[in-house]
Amino acid sequence: IAGITQAPTSQILAAGRRMTLRCTQDMRHNAMYWYRQDLGLGLRLIHYSNTAGTTGKGEVPDGYSVSRANTDDFPLTLASAVPSQTSVYFCASSDLGEMTQYFGPGTRLTVL
Amino acid sequence: GQNIDQPTEMTATEGAIVQINCTYQTSGFNGLFWYQQHAGEAPTFLSYNVLDGLEEKGRFSSFLSRSKGYSYLLLKELQMKDSASYLCAVRDGDYKLSFGAGTTVTVRA
Repeated sequence: IAGITQAPTSQILAAGRRMTLRCTQDMRHNAMYWYRQDLGLGLRLIHYSNTAGTTGKGEVPDGYSVSRANTDDFPLTLASAVPSQTSVYFCASSDLGEMTQYFGPGTRLTVL
Repeated sequence: GQNIDQPTEMTATEGAIVQINCTYQTSGFNGLFWYQQHAGEAPTFLSYNVLDGLEEKGRFSSFLSRSKGYSYLLLKELQMKDSASYLCAVRDGDYKLSFGAGTTVTVRA
Protein backbone atom coordinates (compact mmCIF):
# COMPACT_ATOMS: atom_id res chain seq x y z
CA ILE A 1 0.00 0.00 0.00
CA ALA A 2 1.69 3.21 -1.15
CA GLY A 3 -0.88 5.71 0.16
CA ILE A 4 0.36 9.17 -0.77
CA THR A 5 3.67 9.91 -2.41
CA GLN A 6 5.32 13.29 -2.86
CA ALA A 7 8.24 14.32 -5.03
CA PRO A 8 10.82 15.61 -4.65
CA THR A 9 11.75 14.83 -1.04
CA SER A 10 13.69 18.06 -0.85
CA GLN A 11 14.73 20.83 -3.20
CA ILE A 12 16.87 23.94 -3.16
CA LEU A 13 15.60 26.51 -5.62
CA ALA A 14 16.78 29.91 -6.80
CA ALA A 15 14.34 32.77 -6.34
CA GLY A 16 12.34 33.48 -9.48
CA ARG A 17 12.39 29.90 -10.70
CA ARG A 18 9.28 27.90 -11.42
CA MET A 19 8.75 24.70 -9.42
CA THR A 20 6.11 21.98 -9.35
CA LEU A 21 5.68 19.74 -6.33
CA ARG A 22 4.08 16.44 -7.19
CA CYS A 23 1.52 14.50 -5.16
CA THR A 24 -0.05 11.16 -6.05
CA GLN A 25 -2.45 9.01 -4.05
CA ASP A 26 -3.63 5.49 -4.78
CA MET A 27 -6.53 5.35 -2.32
CA ARG A 28 -9.11 6.76 -4.78
CA HIS A 29 -9.87 9.56 -2.34
CA ASN A 30 -11.98 12.32 -3.82
CA ALA A 31 -10.51 15.19 -1.78
CA MET A 32 -6.88 16.36 -1.80
CA TYR A 33 -5.09 19.19 0.01
CA TRP A 34 -1.82 21.09 0.05
CA TYR A 35 -0.43 22.51 3.29
CA ARG A 36 2.73 24.33 4.24
CA GLN A 37 4.24 23.93 7.68
CA ASP A 38 6.40 26.62 9.21
CA LEU A 39 7.92 26.71 12.69
CA GLY A 40 5.54 28.28 15.17
CA LEU A 41 2.71 28.56 12.66
CA GLY A 42 1.58 25.00 12.25
CA LEU A 43 0.00 23.60 9.11
CA ARG A 44 -1.72 26.13 6.85
CA LEU A 45 -3.94 25.17 3.93
CA ILE A 46 -2.77 26.48 0.55
CA HIS A 47 -5.24 24.94 -1.91
CA TYR A 48 -7.66 22.05 -1.92
CA SER A 49 -9.74 19.99 -4.30
CA ASN A 50 -12.95 18.23 -3.29
CA THR A 51 -13.15 16.25 -6.51
CA ALA A 52 -11.34 15.90 -9.84
CA GLY A 53 -11.83 18.99 -11.97
CA THR A 54 -12.45 21.39 -9.08
CA THR A 55 -10.08 23.36 -6.87
CA GLY A 56 -10.41 25.93 -4.11
CA LYS A 57 -8.27 28.43 -2.24
CA GLY A 58 -7.18 27.85 1.33
CA GLU A 59 -5.75 30.19 3.92
CA VAL A 60 -2.49 31.08 2.09
CA PRO A 61 -2.98 30.65 -1.69
CA ASP A 62 -0.98 33.59 -3.03
CA GLY A 63 1.97 32.59 -5.20
CA TYR A 64 0.70 29.03 -5.65
CA SER A 65 -1.51 27.28 -8.19
CA VAL A 66 -2.93 23.77 -8.41
CA SER A 67 -4.72 21.55 -10.90
CA ARG A 68 -6.74 18.35 -10.52
CA ALA A 69 -6.97 16.68 -13.89
CA ASN A 70 -7.68 13.25 -12.39
CA THR A 71 -8.45 11.62 -9.03
CA ASP A 72 -4.91 10.53 -8.21
CA ASP A 73 -2.71 13.56 -8.91
CA PHE A 74 -2.68 17.02 -7.36
CA PRO A 75 0.42 19.04 -8.34
CA LEU A 76 1.30 22.34 -6.66
CA THR A 77 3.11 24.95 -8.75
CA LEU A 78 5.13 27.94 -7.63
CA ALA A 79 5.22 30.18 -10.70
CA SER A 80 8.08 32.37 -9.48
CA ALA A 81 9.51 31.22 -6.17
CA VAL A 82 10.34 33.70 -3.39
CA PRO A 83 12.35 33.09 -0.19
CA SER A 84 9.17 33.33 1.96
CA GLN A 85 8.01 30.13 0.28
CA THR A 86 10.78 28.23 2.04
CA SER A 87 8.82 25.64 4.01
CA VAL A 88 7.87 22.00 4.35
CA TYR A 89 4.96 21.14 2.06
CA PHE A 90 2.55 18.34 2.85
CA CYS A 91 -0.04 16.85 0.54
CA ALA A 92 -3.04 15.08 2.07
CA SER A 93 -6.12 13.23 0.89
CA SER A 94 -9.42 12.01 2.29
CA ASP A 95 -12.85 10.83 1.35
CA LEU A 96 -15.24 13.69 2.04
CA GLY A 97 -16.98 12.97 5.31
CA GLU A 98 -14.34 10.47 6.37
CA MET A 99 -12.84 11.02 9.77
CA THR A 100 -9.28 11.70 8.79
CA GLN A 101 -6.93 13.12 6.22
CA TYR A 102 -3.92 11.04 5.26
CA PHE A 103 -0.67 12.91 4.80
CA GLY A 104 2.20 12.35 2.41
CA PRO A 105 5.83 12.36 3.64
CA GLY A 106 6.38 16.02 2.75
CA THR A 107 8.70 18.06 0.53
CA ARG A 108 11.28 20.33 2.12
CA LEU A 109 11.70 23.36 -0.14
CA THR A 110 14.36 26.02 0.28
CA VAL A 111 14.22 29.15 -1.88
CA LEU A 112 17.41 31.18 -1.96
CA GLY B 1 -12.12 31.48 9.96
CA GLN B 2 -10.74 29.49 12.86
CA ASN B 3 -8.61 30.57 15.82
CA ILE B 4 -7.02 27.59 17.53
CA ASP B 5 -4.79 27.82 20.61
CA GLN B 6 -2.68 25.16 22.30
CA PRO B 7 0.42 25.34 24.48
CA THR B 8 3.76 25.44 22.71
CA GLU B 9 5.65 22.92 24.82
CA MET B 10 5.11 20.41 27.62
CA THR B 11 7.53 18.12 29.42
CA ALA B 12 6.65 15.00 31.39
CA THR B 13 8.26 11.94 32.87
CA GLU B 14 8.03 8.43 31.45
CA GLY B 15 5.01 6.63 32.90
CA ALA B 16 3.22 9.85 33.79
CA ILE B 17 0.08 11.46 32.35
CA VAL B 18 0.01 14.63 30.26
CA GLN B 19 -3.02 16.66 29.20
CA ILE B 20 -2.78 18.94 26.17
CA ASN B 21 -5.49 21.58 26.02
CA CYS B 22 -6.89 23.14 22.87
CA THR B 23 -9.30 26.04 22.64
CA TYR B 24 -10.92 27.19 19.45
CA GLN B 25 -13.15 29.90 18.04
CA THR B 26 -14.79 28.85 14.84
CA SER B 27 -17.17 30.12 12.19
CA GLY B 28 -18.31 26.57 11.51
CA PHE B 29 -17.70 23.29 13.32
CA ASN B 30 -17.74 19.80 11.91
CA GLY B 31 -15.40 17.90 14.22
CA LEU B 32 -12.15 18.22 16.13
CA PHE B 33 -9.09 16.14 15.36
CA TRP B 34 -5.82 15.36 17.09
CA TYR B 35 -2.75 14.39 15.08
CA GLN B 36 0.68 13.21 16.20
CA GLN B 37 3.76 14.35 14.33
CA HIS B 38 7.26 13.06 15.04
CA ALA B 39 10.14 15.29 14.02
CA GLY B 40 10.76 15.16 10.28
CA GLU B 41 7.70 13.04 9.61
CA ALA B 42 4.13 13.52 8.40
CA PRO B 43 1.22 14.02 10.80
CA THR B 44 -0.72 10.87 11.65
CA PHE B 45 -4.31 10.70 12.89
CA LEU B 46 -4.88 10.05 16.60
CA SER B 47 -8.47 10.88 17.45
CA TYR B 48 -11.70 12.54 16.38
CA ASN B 49 -14.54 14.13 18.36
CA VAL B 50 -17.71 15.56 16.90
CA LEU B 51 -20.01 15.18 19.92
CA ASP B 52 -19.35 16.33 23.48
CA GLY B 53 -17.62 13.86 25.74
CA LEU B 54 -14.65 11.58 26.01
CA GLU B 55 -13.32 9.26 23.34
CA GLU B 56 -10.86 6.65 24.57
CA LYS B 57 -8.42 4.76 22.39
CA GLY B 58 -5.85 2.79 24.35
CA ARG B 59 -3.44 5.11 26.15
CA PHE B 60 -4.86 8.15 24.37
CA SER B 61 -8.16 9.88 25.15
CA SER B 62 -9.70 13.01 23.71
CA PHE B 63 -12.42 15.20 25.18
CA LEU B 64 -14.64 17.80 23.55
CA SER B 65 -16.94 20.52 24.86
CA ARG B 66 -18.53 22.32 21.93
CA SER B 67 -20.24 24.95 24.09
CA LYS B 68 -16.88 25.94 25.60
CA GLY B 69 -14.86 25.61 22.39
CA TYR B 70 -12.51 23.32 24.27
CA SER B 71 -10.80 19.98 23.79
CA TYR B 72 -8.00 18.09 25.44
CA LEU B 73 -5.82 15.14 24.52
CA LEU B 74 -4.82 12.92 27.42
CA LEU B 75 -1.75 10.75 27.09
CA LYS B 76 -1.43 8.09 29.78
CA GLU B 77 1.48 5.84 30.75
CA LEU B 78 3.85 8.00 28.77
CA GLN B 79 6.56 6.27 26.77
CA MET B 80 9.69 7.74 25.23
CA LYS B 81 8.20 7.19 21.77
CA ASP B 82 5.39 9.61 22.68
CA SER B 83 7.87 12.49 22.37
CA ALA B 84 6.37 14.36 19.40
CA SER B 85 4.27 17.33 18.40
CA TYR B 86 0.52 17.04 18.90
CA LEU B 87 -1.68 19.04 16.57
CA CYS B 88 -5.23 20.12 17.32
CA ALA B 89 -7.35 20.70 14.20
CA VAL B 90 -10.93 21.87 13.64
CA ARG B 91 -12.93 20.86 10.58
CA ASP B 92 -15.38 23.29 9.06
CA GLY B 93 -18.57 22.65 7.14
CA ASP B 94 -16.61 22.32 3.87
CA TYR B 95 -14.48 19.53 5.37
CA LYS B 96 -11.39 21.72 5.48
CA LEU B 97 -9.07 21.47 8.50
CA SER B 98 -7.55 24.39 10.38
CA PHE B 99 -4.64 23.49 12.61
CA GLY B 100 -3.23 24.91 15.79
CA ALA B 101 0.52 25.55 15.91
CA GLY B 102 1.08 22.28 17.76
CA THR B 103 2.31 21.26 21.21
CA THR B 104 5.75 19.68 21.48
CA VAL B 105 5.76 17.02 24.20
CA THR B 106 9.10 15.87 25.56
CA VAL B 107 9.13 12.67 27.62
CA ARG B 108 12.04 12.34 30.02
CA ALA B 109 13.31 9.11 31.51
